[in-house]
Amino acid sequence: AQSVTQPDIHITVSEGASLELRCNYSYGATPYLFWYVQSPGQGLQLLLKYFSGDTLVQGIKGFEAEFKRSQSSFNLRKPSVHWSDAAEYFCAVVNQGTYKYIFGTGTRLKVLA
Amino acid sequence: DAGVIQSPRHEVTEMGQEVTLRCKPISGHDYLFWYRQTMMRGLELLIYFNNNVPIDDSGMPEDRFSAKMPNASFSTLKIQPSEPRDSAVYFCASSLAGAPYNEQFFGPGTRLTVL
Repeated sequence: AQSVTQPDIHITVSEGASLELRCNYSYGATPYLFWYVQSPGQGLQLLLKYFSGDTLVQGIKGFEAEFKRSQSSFNLRKPSVHWSDAAEYFCAVVNQGTYKYIFGTGTRLKVLA
Repeated sequence: DAGVIQSPRHEVTEMGQEVTLRCKPISGHDYLFWYRQTMMRGLELLIYFNNNVPIDDSGMPEDRFSAKMPNASFSTLKIQPSEPRDSAVYFCASSLAGAPYNEQFFGPGTRLTVL
């Protein structure tokens, strides 16, 4: 079955520290993967997406993610976190037959000043 | 562009009442998605439309839920009768023609509380 797992429900980092949010997926074919961010009281905004090609994908707000097929992972990274990055982050894979997105349960990021 | 517009932003109602949530997708987008977000179940896809036609409503929890898209610029999600367990944030999203696995643009959501 297709699924997305985000093992960390909460993560706390200090401002300026590096960040890595984990995402593991289960999908039978080459996955189309996404990271979205949800600020409090807001909808979801796309950070970046992977369809094919270079496995290191650059996104908005200084985020990047690396697709690793051997590990079924698509981890999100940022070298230096800003207080405004505090939000909830969702990893998703799209079912290419039905076009449905399958979202992970999200990781809530807290940033300490 | 104003983005995806949802109304109301907040809705408080009593059990048994009818609730109607509204969505205006981004102009030109021909896919529209309705999601529900709760702490327990996370983000769930309820139904999606292509060119105003419902494609997959398998995520609609039960017959109390219905969705329509009478034209390309408007969709509704109705709950009748509402129950406390329907309390959640409901999101509408739209995407551009061609490939629905392109980026989905989300509205700000409607926070529904059923007392």
